[in-house]
Amino acid sequence: QVQLQESGPGLVKPSETLSLTCTVSGGSISSNYWSWIRQPPGKGLEWIGYIYYSGSTHYNPSLKSRVTISVDTSKTQFSLKLTSVTAADTAVYYCATGPKRSCSGDRCYKNLFDPWGQGTLVTVSS
Amino acid sequence: QSVLTQPPSVSGAPGQRVTISCTGSNSNIGAGYDVHWYQQLPGTAPKLLMYGNNNRPSGVPDRFSGSKSGTSASLAITGLHAEDEADYYCQSYDSSLSGSVFGGGTKLTVL
Repeated sequence: QVQLQESGPGLVKPSETLSLTCTVSGGSISSNYWSWIRQPPGKGLEWIGYIYYSGSTHYNPSLKSRVTISVDTSKTQFSLKLTSVTAADTAVYYCATGPKRSCSGDRCYKNLFDPWGQGTLVTVSS
Repeated sequence: QSVLTQPPSVSGAPGQRVTISCTGSNSNIGAGYDVHWYQQLPGTAPKLLMYGNNNRPSGVPDRFSGSKSGTSASLAITGLHAEDEADYYCQSYDSSLSGSVFGGGTKLTVL
């Protein structure tokens, strides 16, 4: 059973770079896409972007200019960097397996996220 | 403003049935992309509750069901239990954004 665990600083100053790492255990990092998703306090979920183990990435257009996701297969980790942060970037950041597909019977369904890490709160404040 | 629209809250008494709607557009649900639902219990991470419109992962009781029609989807919960009190999110893929999109979330209160 794949498990994910986020780690990184809980406090980042405005205009600086937010850096988080997700460690994957219980499965191979070389067989899935891996995503970052965030949730501002009291608000909904926002997909940030994903990376494939080969290194190919795709980002949310609204964050694309500030986001970099990378992968280290030797450490079974993938990472998030978000530059020029403001208070609006304060959120719980989750890593998740996906987008992936799951099958039921003879049908398969795409673009879901499962499982998720427990999340880590990052506060942007001076 | 979320790409997928959900009611902010719904409520029901134990044993009752509630539904949560998820309204999209022709670039996501209406384009035929699959809809998935997540349950977020208080203080925890979201967990996959329903995938591919109406398929439950192992361990999810059959009190939960989903449906999709046109540009909308819905999640139904029958025989409400107190432990169903949580936030529920729908999610799909959007071709205009070329990425995954979520609903704003619906808080279910069990009275």
